[in-house]
Amino acid sequence: EPEVTQTPSHQVTQMGQEVILRCVPISNHLYFYWYRQILGQKVEFLVSFYNNEISEKSEIFDDQFSVERPDGSNFTLKIRSTKLEDSAMYFCASIITGTGAFQETQYFGPGTRLLVL
Amino acid sequence: QKEVEQNSGPLSVPEGAIASLNCTYSDRGSQSFFWYRQYSGKSPELIMSIYSNGDKEDGRFTAQLNKASQYVSLLIRDSQPSDSATYLCAPGFSGGYNKLIFGAGTRLAVHP
Repeated sequence: EPEVTQTPSHQVTQMGQEVILRCVPISNHLYFYWYRQILGQKVEFLVSFYNNEISEKSEIFDDQFSVERPDGSNFTLKIRSTKLEDSAMYFCASIITGTGAFQETQYFGPGTRLLVL
Repeated sequence: QKEVEQNSGPLSVPEGAIASLNCTYSDRGSQSFFWYRQYSGKSPELIMSIYSNGDKEDGRFTAQLNKASQYVSLLIRDSQPSDSATYLCAPGFSGGYNKLIFGAGTRLAVHP
């Protein structure tokens, strides 16, 4: 069964460093998302991406964050200068078309646990 | 601000019992509703989706939706220890590009 994959599974970085989190969505999916979950808190929407551009972003997704689909298969989240509060689990998700009257199921990757020291 | 409210629990039920999980939401425009299960340290995994008022059954799981009351619930019959997890309610946000707004989740503990 097709699945969303994410790498790395764990990443430890120093405050102020840049990190890139990678995701490979399901191959025929067209909408892509990043969510984060700080330990003990709820899953929060960061950004949605369609047709090679951001379709929506949350207040959390400030100028330190960027997303890219560099090669037609990978979908990346870059944090330019990490802060301690960026420590969280980051999940990538995708859906097939994003059209229709009802929302489609989002399929989540296994997540990347980011620890900023 | 769109809100999703869930009782954080823990909800403790004996093995074989029915677990009842509840969720209220503020976005009257939501048309799609999802229940995800999340084991500690893992990603959300879809359990059920429901779009119409009433009940929807899938195996041991039944989702119930009442749009007028802005209420959605999940019943788990014959609860098993492997059902012990956090259950996340996620109404589809009516104004966005299919983003999900998650509740904080209800932690379910099924004891033998």
